[in-house]
Amino acid sequence: SQQGEEDPQALSIQEGENATMNCSYKTSINNLQWYRQNSGRGLVHLILIRSNEREKHSGRLRVTLDTSKKSSSLLITASRAADTASYFCATGGGSNYKLTFGKGTLLTVNP
Amino acid sequence: SQTIHQWPATLVQPVGSPLSLECTVEGTSNPNLYWYRQAAGRGLQLLFYSVGIGQISSEVPQNLSASRPQDRQFILSSKKLLLSDSGFYLCAWKEGSYNSPLHFGNGTRLTVT
Repeated sequence: SQQGEEDPQALSIQEGENATMNCSYKTSINNLQWYRQNSGRGLVHLILIRSNEREKHSGRLRVTLDTSKKSSSLLITASRAADTASYFCATGGGSNYKLTFGKGTLLTVNP
Repeated sequence: SQTIHQWPATLVQPVGSPLSLECTVEGTSNPNLYWYRQAAGRGLQLLFYSVGIGQISSEVPQNLSASRPQDRQFILSSKKLLLSDSGFYLCAWKEGSYNSPLHFGNGTRLTVT
């Protein structure tokens, strides 16, 4: 079964606005990662946050992690049309071999 | 720098035909290798992973098999395709440490007719 679940399933915003996506998971994790997928392409790693971290930044991306609530959020600030893609969270648990993905959030940024 | 190659990009195969998808990684040694499948509008389902040559772990019982004949080569196969095997197949690699990301290929769109 899938570990992470993203919310919302789809999000449509205007260019320049901020986009927030959430991810909930069920079991303990070593880290949580966010990936981006353009239509018909492979996934690209965006950011990794470890279980002992609460917040991490990378350019226009801000990720938070609340292990007590088993949830994470991805904030994209000042969105651009080029940010249009599906965004997935993935969790790494007890085994260092496997990442389990959610179903993703489809973000559409309108110019 | 490391690169991952996956081919073919698209494939249309009849039901009952065999399948072979190949993935190779360059610029790293002893990577963990993965095959995921993505159905339309859904997340990624882990099919197989490998932590070394000849070592294959299967996550979901199905009509597919995987092999790792060389350190940086991962092959997904089927002897007889089913309609339900249609989907987007993604190969990926990562280093063996806990906090390392997955690096994906560009995927193969398989349509079984």
